[in-house]
Amino acid sequence: DQQVKQNSPSLSVQEGRISILNCDYTNSMFDYFLWYKKYPAEGPTFLISISSIKDKNEDGRFTVFLNKSAKHLSLHIVPSQPGDSAVYFCAASAGNMLTFGGGTRLMVKP
Amino acid sequence: ETGVTQTPRHLVMGMTNKKSLKCEQHLGHNAMYWYKQSAKKPLELMFVYNFKEQTENNSVPSRFSPECPNSSHLFLHLHTLQPEDSALYLCASSHDRGGGGEQFFGPGTRLTVL
Repeated sequence: DQQVKQNSPSLSVQEGRISILNCDYTNSMFDYFLWYKKYPAEGPTFLISISSIKDKNEDGRFTVFLNKSAKHLSLHIVPSQPGDSAVYFCAASAGNMLTFGGGTRLMVKP
Repeated sequence: ETGVTQTPRHLVMGMTNKKSLKCEQHLGHNAMYWYKQSAKKPLELMFVYNFKEQTENNSVPSRFSPECPNSSHLFLHLHTLQPEDSALYLCASSHDRGGGGEQFFGPGTRLTVL
């Protein structure tokens, strides 16, 4: 039973447009959420995070939104660049460990 | 050298072999983790060490044996593995036991069991 789900295995976006990656969770005890980015042959790298006491966190082109009532978070990338093409994982923490979603492969086309 | 390093990057082994994966972190963290990533599956946490003590064993078969001699080094000893154990094995570290904190990952070891 997956507690963190990314229902879109892939997403294709045109360069310059907005990329929206979604993540749903079931455990209401999660209190911290993170997004990681992974290139082939590399480990995941931290991108942005949000605490459950907030509903938005912005860092440059990246914004994470949290809707606690819907148990849903999303990552917005705008404008999207070809270098953003990678697999994006959302992760949730309940104090001790991270639980990861299955990932979404983002392809940004020039 | 900075960050989290893992060796070897690729490993092919038979089911009767014994091998070890090595992870080293140069970030001054006190928690280290082993994850397994199989094809089309989420990252699965295997083990957690905090200040060299194992604090989590996520129902991992005994053919995987972790060792943490100090806060900077983590090993995963492998013996009598099965072909379904073929996966990407990722090591990570953090300042604490992952309590809402960011984990830093190594590049992983791609393991193939024949």
